[in-house]
Amino acid sequence: AQTVTQSQPEMSVQEAETVTLSCTYDTSESDYYLFWYKQPPSRQMILVIRQEAYKQQNATENRFSVNFQKAAKSFSLKISDSQLGDAAMYFCAYRRYTGNQFYFGTGTSLTVIP
Amino acid sequence: EAQVTQNPRYLITVTGKKLTVTCSQNMNHEYMSWYRQDPGLGLRQIYYSMNVEVTDKGDVPEGYKVSRKEKRNFPLILESPSPNQTSLYFCASSARGGTSGTIVRYEQYFGPGTRLTVT
Repeated sequence: AQTVTQSQPEMSVQEAETVTLSCTYDTSESDYYLFWYKQPPSRQMILVIRQEAYKQQNATENRFSVNFQKAAKSFSLKISDSQLGDAAMYFCAYRRYTGNQFYFGTGTSLTVIP
Repeated sequence: EAQVTQNPRYLITVTGKKLTVTCSQNMNHEYMSWYRQDPGLGLRQIYYSMNVEVTDKGDVPEGYKVSRKEKRNFPLILESPSPNQTSLYFCASSARGGTSGTIVRYEQYFGPGTRLTVT
């Protein structure tokens, strides 16, 4: 089974600064999907960004971008111009290319300091 | 509005009393899943379904049952709940992956969660 590792249980960032959350995964597959989800105190799971492994270009969604290093099996999330509303738990997730198996990391709790 | 709904949102029950958590999606997704979320463990897949009448075990299936009789519904059944099943449960749905040449959103859409306490 694939494993997803988030080695930073907690992170903090000053408002308006940039922070990077790390994620590594273990797989023998060549095609797959990667995601970052945000979970605010409401507990709702919100998609932040997605990346297809067959795409070399790093995904970007407004202030959120990823650094996808396929050979290193690394998928970090960069949040620029951090806002108070970015405070949440962030989960990295791996999806197999076919099938419906998803694997999640243990999460990183992000605090934004005013 | 595209959404996944779960009911109930909160449930307190006693050991051994059978319960069902319902899940429904209106996006015509083939794939549906159930997860449990526990502190320090992230989300773990309990069961998943790839189509009507097609279900399979995830990483933590013990003590749970599911059924997929209709495409939109995927209930989670606890036949005899125990305190170690106290958790936050999420239902999710997604489009079928592995489709080349078309634009498909492969991410999962999550329900609002069900907080279950078993005493």
